[in-house]
Amino acid sequence: GAVVSQHPSRVICKSGTSVKIECRSLDFQATTMFWYRQFPKKSLMLMATSNEGSKATYEQGVEKDKFLINHASLTLSTLTVTSAHPEDSSFYICSARASEYEQYFGPGTRLTVT
Amino acid sequence: GQNIDQPTEMTATEGAIVQINCTYQTSGFNGLFWYQQHAGEAPTFLSYNVLDGLEEKGRFSSFLSRSKGYSYLLLKELQMKDSASYLCAALDSNYQLIWGAGTKLIIKP
Repeated sequence: GAVVSQHPSRVICKSGTSVKIECRSLDFQATTMFWYRQFPKKSLMLMATSNEGSKATYEQGVEKDKFLINHASLTLSTLTVTSAHPEDSSFYICSARASEYEQYFGPGTRLTVT
Repeated sequence: GQNIDQPTEMTATEGAIVQINCTYQTSGFNGLFWYQQHAGEAPTFLSYNVLDGLEEKGRFSSFLSRSKGYSYLLLKELQMKDSASYLCAALDSNYQLIWGAGTKLIIKP
């Protein structure tokens, strides 16, 4: 299957700093990528849909000024958690849409804010 | 509203068979996915059904009934490595995945 990479896999940052997470589709082009957040023992929560060349569509309750998404190319989307706080600590997962029926997940990024 | 229901947790014995059920209500329907997720890892694709019936893939099979809004994942010859969460997700009319909360499967020796 298609490969999606995510970097970094783990990051620890101090409260008040910003963290950028990259999501790359390695062997296909993705006009649409998704960013999810997952709390322990919970299912995936869609945060936003990232469309190449246009603004991301955020789900209700997700602060777009806090979670900045950029999808500048067909193979790269970035999520920046600005002014991170301990409650932002979570597992962040991206996925890339290869077709209407195919969505491939990155390995996830474990963010810990101290 | 859109909703996916699946059991929170199930326990089964190594070597046995287990069936994980999922019911869904979505705005439009373009298929039903099953994903496996081990703790601390991202989900991995297991199956996709869009037509009624059973799709078999090795030890795993997935069934869909569109009229009933129902699917199940059947795991045979259970192995300890099958201990994981199993996520049911329906693709709605906008081709957006609607996720269930996941079923944690515990395999005992």
